[in-house]
Amino acid sequence: EDQVTQSPEALRLQEGESSSLNCSYTVSGLRGLFWYRQDPGKGPEFLFTLYSAGEEKEKERLKATLTKKESFLHITAPKPEDSATYLCAVQAYQAGTALIFGKGTTLSVSS
Amino acid sequence: GAGVSQSPRYKVAKRGQDVALRCDPISGHVSLFWYQQALGQGPEFLTYFQNEAQLDKSGLPSDRFFAERPEGSVSTLKIQRTQQEDSAVYLCASSVLGGDTGELFFGEGSRLTVL
Repeated sequence: EDQVTQSPEALRLQEGESSSLNCSYTVSGLRGLFWYRQDPGKGPEFLFTLYSAGEEKEKERLKATLTKKESFLHITAPKPEDSATYLCAVQAYQAGTALIFGKGTTLSVSS
Repeated sequence: GAGVSQSPRYKVAKRGQDVALRCDPISGHVSLFWYQQALGQGPEFLTYFQNEAQLDKSGLPSDRFFAERPEGSVSTLKIQRTQQEDSAVYLCASSVLGGDTGELFFGEGSRLTVL
């Protein structure tokens, strides 16, 4: 069964304190792995797509990496406005159009 | 509009009532998706449209759930005889790309509470 597990469930950081969020996945054939950001009361906002092991993508203070079993979202020198829930999702070749999401990691950054 | 628009934002229904949730995707977006997000969970796929064709409805939990997109633009998700377990946020997403994309633009969702 295709599955996505994110850890930790919640993470509290001080402003400027770098850290990483983990997304472990099991999928029959990975078409793509996606990171989204979700603010309270809002829909998810697309951040990154990763297709193959070794691939990396960057955007401002965020960097996403991919291995054959997991993905990391590295947050460098976070600011309070980075506080949100970060969702990881995979798409499998055999699952058609569906994205399979993890439960997310809720990040709180305090000044 | 500038983004995906969903209405109503909040809906309270008594158990057994029928509800209809509307999604207005970004103009020109071919693909439209519905997801269900329970409290504290990630979104779960319900159904996918390419233009007016419903190509994947494998995620609809029961035959009480029905979705349509008759003219390839606005979509409606209908839930008949609502039950308490239907309480969730229903998210609509669209993309200019085909169904195999994971780069989706989500609306803010419709929060359904069934009493």
